[in-house]
Amino acid sequence: GENVEQHPSTLSVQEGDSAVIKCTYSDSASNYFPWYKQELGKRPQLIIDIRSNVGEKKDQRIAVTLNKTAKHFSLHITETQPEDSAVYFCAPSGAGSYQLTFGKGTKLSVIP
Amino acid sequence: DTGVSQDPRHKITKRGQNVTFRCDPISEHNRLYWYRQTLGQGPEFLTYFQNEAQLEKSRLLSDRFSAERPKGSFSTLEIQRTEQGDSAMYLCASSSGRAAETQYFGPGTRLLVL
Repeated sequence: GENVEQHPSTLSVQEGDSAVIKCTYSDSASNYFPWYKQELGKRPQLIIDIRSNVGEKKDQRIAVTLNKTAKHFSLHITETQPEDSAVYFCAPSGAGSYQLTFGKGTKLSVIP
Repeated sequence: DTGVSQDPRHKITKRGQNVTFRCDPISEHNRLYWYRQTLGQGPEFLTYFQNEAQLEKSRLLSDRFSAERPKGSFSTLEIQRTEQGDSAMYLCASSSGRAAETQYFGPGTRLLVL
């Protein structure tokens, strides 16, 4: 099965700084790479995703970059705000399977 | 609200009892997924339906767990003879045929087994 690792497990940044979270996966057949944000006690919310035919995708302050050769993808948040504080999960999905394999999460704290 | 809904939101039960959870997916989403999330961990896949057919089951889904989606709309997840280790958040997600991988999650059912 797919092995997924996220780094770092915790991240503290000053408001306005950038944050980067990296996700490494093992299945070279993976072709879908989403990032979810989960606030305490709430449901996971999809914030951005990318498919394997694209190297980078941006949506306002959030971007995802994919390196299929090295089997990793990263979440980039610029101009961080206190409301970005949450746990972020990567959850790659393999070809032929629609199940998402979640990482252990990265707790992001944005300090005002 | 046209998002994924789950019922109940919280359930407390005694060890050995049976519990059943319900998930209503986004309207016309033909794919429905169940995940389990324990404290401090990411969600873990349990099972997946396309319409009424159960197509994938995780090894996590022991024989005490059963899921159904009889008419291809809502789904139920039943846990028989609950154990304390079943305590977790049970999350449901759905996706459409056109973007099958893009899954939208419900609020979850938090189960506590005493």
